[in-house]
Amino acid sequence: GENVEQHPSTLSVQEGDSAVIKCTYSDSASNYFPWYKQELGKGPQLIIDIRSNVGEKKDQRIAVTLNKTAKHFSLHITETQPEDSAVYFCAASMETSYDKVIFGPGTSLSVIP
Amino acid sequence: DAMVIQNPRYQVTQFGKPVTLSCSQTLNHNVMYWYQQKSSQAPKLLFHYYDKDFNNEADTPDNFQSRRPNTSFCFLDIRSPGLGDAAMYLCATSRDVSSGPQHFGDGTRLSIL
Repeated sequence: GENVEQHPSTLSVQEGDSAVIKCTYSDSASNYFPWYKQELGKGPQLIIDIRSNVGEKKDQRIAVTLNKTAKHFSLHITETQPEDSAVYFCAASMETSYDKVIFGPGTSLSVIP
Repeated sequence: DAMVIQNPRYQVTQFGKPVTLSCSQTLNHNVMYWYQQKSSQAPKLLFHYYDKDFNNEADTPDNFQSRRPNTSFCFLDIRSPGLGDAAMYLCATSRDVSSGPQHFGDGTRLSIL
């Protein structure tokens, strides 16, 4: 079955700096990769997703890159702000099976003002 | 705004006393999921309903049951809660298993006395 690894487990950055979170997946059949942000006491919220026919996707300060050959995908947050502090989960699934979403273990991001 | 609503946000029950958590959605999605999330871990899928079809994960304990009386509502029943069942319980929905990402509610935090 699919296995998703995520690094680092914790990340501290100064406000205004960039943050990068990296994930790897094992199942080459996976073709949909969402990223979720979970703030304290709240449920995970989808912040960006990418499909395997695309190498990069940007939404304002957030970007995700995908390397299908290496089975790597990464989240990039630029100009970090204190409100970016949260736990971020990467995930992998197949577009024909959104019910089988495999989450990475999460990265706790702290943005220091 | 269309959303996934979980009630209550906090639930305290006694060891062995049955408890029910509820989830409602205004997204009119076909699929509803229940996840268990323990501290500093990724959400773990317990089961999901695709319309009225119930799909249990292989490692979900028998102590956990679910009901979906209509499209909008889904319930999680824990028949005899043990101390190890203390966790955040997350409800999520998706339009279909082959269409759309999962959208999460803010969860119910369950404590066992």
